[in-house]
Amino acid sequence: DAKTTQPPSMDCAEGRAANLPCNHSTISGNEYVYWYRQIHSQGPQYIIHGLKNNETNEMASLIITEDRKSSTLILAHATLRDTAVYYCIVSSRDNNDMRFGAGTRLTVKP
Amino acid sequence: EAGVTQSPTHLIKTRGQQVTLRCSPISGHTSVYWYQQALGLGLQFLLWYDEGEERNRGNFPPRFSGRQFPNYSSELNVNALELEDSALYLCASSRPGTNTGELFFGEGSRLTVL
Repeated sequence: DAKTTQPPSMDCAEGRAANLPCNHSTISGNEYVYWYRQIHSQGPQYIIHGLKNNETNEMASLIITEDRKSSTLILAHATLRDTAVYYCIVSSRDNNDMRFGAGTRLTVKP
Repeated sequence: EAGVTQSPTHLIKTRGQQVTLRCSPISGHTSVYWYQQALGLGLQFLLWYDEGEERNRGNFPPRFSGRQFPNYSSELNVNALELEDSALYLCASSRPGTNTGELFFGEGSRLTVL
């Protein structure tokens, strides 16, 4: 019952930008967009989150459309270690209902 | 700073048995979350505890229960184990105050039910 839709898999060449899309057409005004990733057999790792504005940190950039119905996570220069399942989550800070969907399996190839 | 720690890391049970999984959050964190991840599947939200209270619960039967202790550590109990309960159980913690959505995960407890 995740509120987001992501492609099941994507490939990216090493050193190139990886652009991972997420649709969240039913997002509410007080809900944030969060991105996590899970490298095989490890616990998920927080990447970034945003409400309306685009965000950037040392790991990635988050681009949110003006209507907030979709977003894109950008890994500027993907490395082999970025191969993982990437999860897009929509949640409000009121209930902190962090529900993960199936995510996108990103494979970075040499 | 120690991360989220979970125990045991692996365990094997048989159908009908009961299991208790334990989680110690990062020092200073007051919220604890539990997730179930069956093999090859995404994370399913189980429970969220904050300041000792259950704040939210996922779509799991009542035989899945838990609690949070005064030191903010937490237990997840599963009664009457079924084969489909075999999964990686992940615990996460977050800072107090305004919910930021930034969860810090442990490495999980892998439960096998035979």
